[in-house]
Amino acid sequence: QVQLVQSGAEVKKTGASVTVSCMTSGYTFTTYGVTWVRQAPGQGLEWMGMISATNGYTSYALKYQDRVTLTTDTSTSTAYMQLRSLTSADTAVYYCARDYYGSGSFRIDSWGQGTLVTVSS
Amino acid sequence: QSALTQPASVSGSPGQSITISCTGTSADVGGYNYVSWYQHHPGKPPQLVIYDVRKRPSGVSSRFSGSRSGNTASLTVSRLQAEDEADYYCSSYTGTHKLVFGGGTKLTVL
Repeated sequence: QVQLVQSGAEVKKTGASVTVSCMTSGYTFTTYGVTWVRQAPGQGLEWMGMISATNGYTSYALKYQDRVTLTTDTSTSTAYMQLRSLTSADTAVYYCARDYYGSGSFRIDSWGQGTLVTVSS
Repeated sequence: QSALTQPASVSGSPGQSITISCTGTSADVGGYNYVSWYQHHPGKPPQLVIYDVRKRPSGVSSRFSGSRSGNTASLTVSRLQAEDEADYYCSSYTGTHKLVFGGGTKLTVL
């Protein structure tokens, strides 16, 4: 079955960077993309960006485009999200999810378990 | 890109039907057939319940249905059950591989 397993919780200092990994299995990694979404405490879901595992194309939300980098390692079917210059406002649960865009369809159909990133001074 | 507009909360009794709206613009909800809905129970990852406006993934109950009129999409949950109590989010493709979510709606089953 399709699985996305994320790395464990992180505690970071203000100004630091964090990298969250998302190891996938159960499907052909390069046929899909990976979307990253976060949820701050008491807030809703927020789209951060997506990366095509087919060709490495990336698209970022304007809010994050200067601070986030999405990458993939097709040899291990793993996606990575790096967020830099952390502030307390970046304290959130970060999700990776499998996305499919093509043939007149778009969907995000499988999600990782989420990774809590806590930023403190 | 501004978040899509959803009501903060809706409620219904078991067996009843509820509808959650998701209002955007012609640049997102009204411009693409790529509106999705997610059910999110606290502490768990979101689950896709509707995609491409009205398609239902395999394994999702037929009690969930989607529709759209103009720039407003809707999710209807029929025959409410206690397990339907959760947060629901809509999302829409906005072009050039970008996405926007709604603010979320808390569904309470009375």
